[in-house]
Amino acid sequence: NAGVTQTPKFQVLKTGQSMTLQCAQDMNHNSMYWYRQDPGMGLRLIYYSASEGTTDKGEVPNGYNVSRLNKREFSLRLESAAPSQTSVYFCASSGTGTSSSYEQYFGPGTRLTVT
Amino acid sequence: QKEVEQNSGPLSVPEGAIASLNCTYSDRVSQSFFWYRQYSGKSPELIMSIYSNGDKEDGRFTAQLNKASQYVSLLIRDSQPSDSATYLCAVVPIGSGNTGKLIFGQGTTLQVKP
Repeated sequence: NAGVTQTPKFQVLKTGQSMTLQCAQDMNHNSMYWYRQDPGMGLRLIYYSASEGTTDKGEVPNGYNVSRLNKREFSLRLESAAPSQTSVYFCASSGTGTSSSYEQYFGPGTRLTVT
Repeated sequence: QKEVEQNSGPLSVPEGAIASLNCTYSDRVSQSFFWYRQYSGKSPELIMSIYSNGDKEDGRFTAQLNKASQYVSLLIRDSQPSDSATYLCAVVPIGSGNTGKLIFGQGTTLQVKP
């Protein structure tokens, strides 16, 4: 099992450009999440999808959109990148139904720089 | 009060010592707690989960949950330089239903010196 995979690993964008970050999991998890991590700010939830077909805003959703393409895939789109979106982006997934289902497993991350 | 608080550190311990990492939480979170380890430049990795009051041991790691005092600790016995990382505490917020959402602390950086 690959677990959670993310593409690309690194990306440099100019201000105003758009891009989509891809995430896929092979653990048959229902829930998926997008976080950003900035120095001194910890992990902040951008969007999440509790189940296939649903998405909801997290703590810092402005400037982002998401798509839960199917149970495996959850993408994050930046429509018009800004320097403030320079960050490391992590995708995570978790199961549902039992107490251990809250355990989240993370992908390797995408390091995005917006100039 | 923040829902989850950790001392950012760094916490420095000599090799072979016990490292004690603490996390306090507000009463707005539920009773499911997690410890993640994050090496520099890498993603968070789940190392311990604890759901009930008391201790849970896994190898050199022990998680301790004290509901009365609203804190959860991670003890690392026989600390090794390879344990040097940032340790994140995470909790399930009350009212999150089946979303699976977690709230993360800012993390404590641990340095184990040879």
